[in-house]
Amino acid sequence: QVQLVESGGGVVQPWGSLRLSCAASGFTFSDFGMHWVRQAPGKGLEWVAVISYDGNRKIYADSVKGRLTISRDNSRNTLYLEMDSLRLEDTAVYYCAKDRVRRSSWFIFDHWGQGALVTVSS
Amino acid sequence: DIQMTQSPASLSASVGDRVTITCQASQGISNYLNWYQQKPGKAPKLLISGASTLEAGVPSRFSGGGSGTDFTFTIHYLQPEDIATYFCQQYNALPPITFGQGTRLEIK
Repeated sequence: QVQLVESGGGVVQPWGSLRLSCAASGFTFSDFGMHWVRQAPGKGLEWVAVISYDGNRKIYADSVKGRLTISRDNSRNTLYLEMDSLRLEDTAVYYCAKDRVRRSSWFIFDHWGQGALVTVSS
Repeated sequence: DIQMTQSPASLSASVGDRVTITCQASQGISNYLNWYQQKPGKAPKLLISGASTLEAGVPSRFSGGGSGTDFTFTIHYLQPEDIATYFCQQYNALPPITFGQGTRLEIK
């Protein structure tokens, strides 16, 4: 069965950096686009970024453009989110999510990880 | 950006009731709409894609409908395990895809 397991969350000071990882199993990772979606405490869902199945296309939400970087290593079945210049408003649970459609990005999130909490605080 | 207005923000209903949540898009999105269920402390779960297509394994008491700008999500016979927050999400105009604000469902 599909499993997505995030790691790397923690507490970081404003302007600090953090890297999240998402280990995937149970499907052919290199065939599917992958996303990061976040949820601030007690709030709704906000899509953050997508990376194509081959890593060649990346799209970001305006709120994170230039500060967060999505990447993947298909040889390790792992998705990453490099987070730089973190702000208080980046505090959230970060979920990795698998796209439904093989070799395309339709933004239908059919499997999600359990989430990693990132707290930006001085 | 396309705004998704979801209502109500919260509702309380009894076991066995029919519950309906609405989601309105700020512009037409055809049927590019998904519904997710999020139980407390858990990740969201995809229930319905393409406005009305039920995911495999999702109970048939859940249904979705609509097209264009107005969509509905219905639970036809509410069960205690349906306590959750429900979100709509459009995927017509990219980026960004956008979610509704969520509807918190409680059992009376």
